[in-house]
Amino acid sequence: NAGVMQNPRHLVRRRGQEARLRCSPMKGHSHVYWYRQLPEEGLKFMVYLQKENIIDESGMPKERFSAEFPKEGPSILRIQQVVRGDSAAYFCASSLYGTVGTGELFFGEGSRLTVL
Amino acid sequence: SQQGEEDPQALSIQEGENATMNCSYKTSINNLQWYRQNSGRGLVHLILIRSNEREKHSGRLRVTLDTSKKSSSLLITASRAADTASYFCATDAGSGGSNYKLTFGKGTLLTVNP
Repeated sequence: NAGVMQNPRHLVRRRGQEARLRCSPMKGHSHVYWYRQLPEEGLKFMVYLQKENIIDESGMPKERFSAEFPKEGPSILRIQQVVRGDSAAYFCASSLYGTVGTGELFFGEGSRLTVL
Repeated sequence: SQQGEEDPQALSIQEGENATMNCSYKTSINNLQWYRQNSGRGLVHLILIRSNEREKHSGRLRVTLDTSKKSSSLLITASRAADTASYFCATDAGSGGSNYKLTFGKGTLLTVNP
């Protein structure tokens, strides 16, 4: 019974390149969340998606960042033209229901992006 | 400003001792959760306490919630070296807020020495 799967676990990019982070939710979960964790910080909410829909992207930077959760396949967090400040751990979580009070979030192991 | 803030930032104890971590928050909440994160790993859910609950137990964990003081505490009894990790509290927004969106504090780094 696989948990939330994220890949790659580690990604190194040079400034100006693109980073693509993938997340497969737990089986049966249709709610996906992306969080970012800067060094020595707690996690910060970025975006909440259901299949083919972005529900809430209020935590996502307006430029260079985008997220999708297609009908088939994993959720993708895409960062274009990366800068050093994008270096962080990006965590994906999924839940059975959209309200976390009725079930906790299950987190993946994270994708650690380093921008040189 | 931070919704959840853990205190202390770091805690070092000996195996067998109890560890207490505190969390304060600013706005009303529906639920408060505690998560553990081992170095370089993802977050593991420990326990959820609802706003109408005052205390909850799970194994060696005891969580209290005081909504009048907007604070929570996590007690780990009889600690083990394997409990070494960062512990985060996370809150979701209360009435009128987005209860799917968790706000995390910066965490408490617990070190349990064998």
